[in-house]
Amino acid sequence: DTEVTQTPKHLVMGMTNKKSLKCEQHMGHRAMYWYKQKAKKPPELMFVYSYEKLSINESVPSRFSPECPNSSLLNLHLHALQPEDSALYLCASSQETGFYGYTFGSGTRLTVV
Amino acid sequence: GQNIDQPTEMTATEGAIVQINCTYQTSGFNGLFWYQQHAGEAPTFLSYNVLDGLEEKGRFSSFLSRSKGYSYLLLKELQMKDSASYLCAVSLSRGNTPLVFGKGTRLSVIA
Repeated sequence: DTEVTQTPKHLVMGMTNKKSLKCEQHMGHRAMYWYKQKAKKPPELMFVYSYEKLSINESVPSRFSPECPNSSLLNLHLHALQPEDSALYLCASSQETGFYGYTFGSGTRLTVV
Repeated sequence: GQNIDQPTEMTATEGAIVQINCTYQTSGFNGLFWYQQHAGEAPTFLSYNVLDGLEEKGRFSSFLSRSKGYSYLLLKELQMKDSASYLCAVSLSRGNTPLVFGKGTRLSVIA
């Protein structure tokens, strides 16, 4: 299995809703990442988990709450989002040695109404 | 801070060759990556350079000069499907440090 799987692919939520994005990989990668990407912009790093521990939080608002239940899963819990949070949310994973490139998931297209 | 520069947009003709440049000034360097991203889709890995020189993969090649802080991605025999954004990204160190991405180059291939 050489994939990172993200669900759902599309999500529309209201500003008072609570939802979660999920990311799963079975490549044995011990680092997992959440990125946010607006149209025509590069991916912006949000969070990094290394060995299931949060190692980097790029000053992301608390309405985004990451969780890493185990080495294969990464969640992003969403609550009280704003319309400007609408974006493509990308999950990626990487291994610690050898090739450090990311494997990206296909992303979740989030629209906040 | 980290600085990775790429041209914002480029246009090239189908069947031609195009070179997308990337210059970087970073606090560390452990490799340079190129990703392709079609609109609304996730980035896909194209190439990786850690040593100076040229890496070739079919129609795509990537070059690195560490002393100059410079890389380029060369696309040959352009096809319409190559219209996409091309992201240059630098790994700052070994281990699980995040990649630092440039702003991306939007390539339009025209007939």
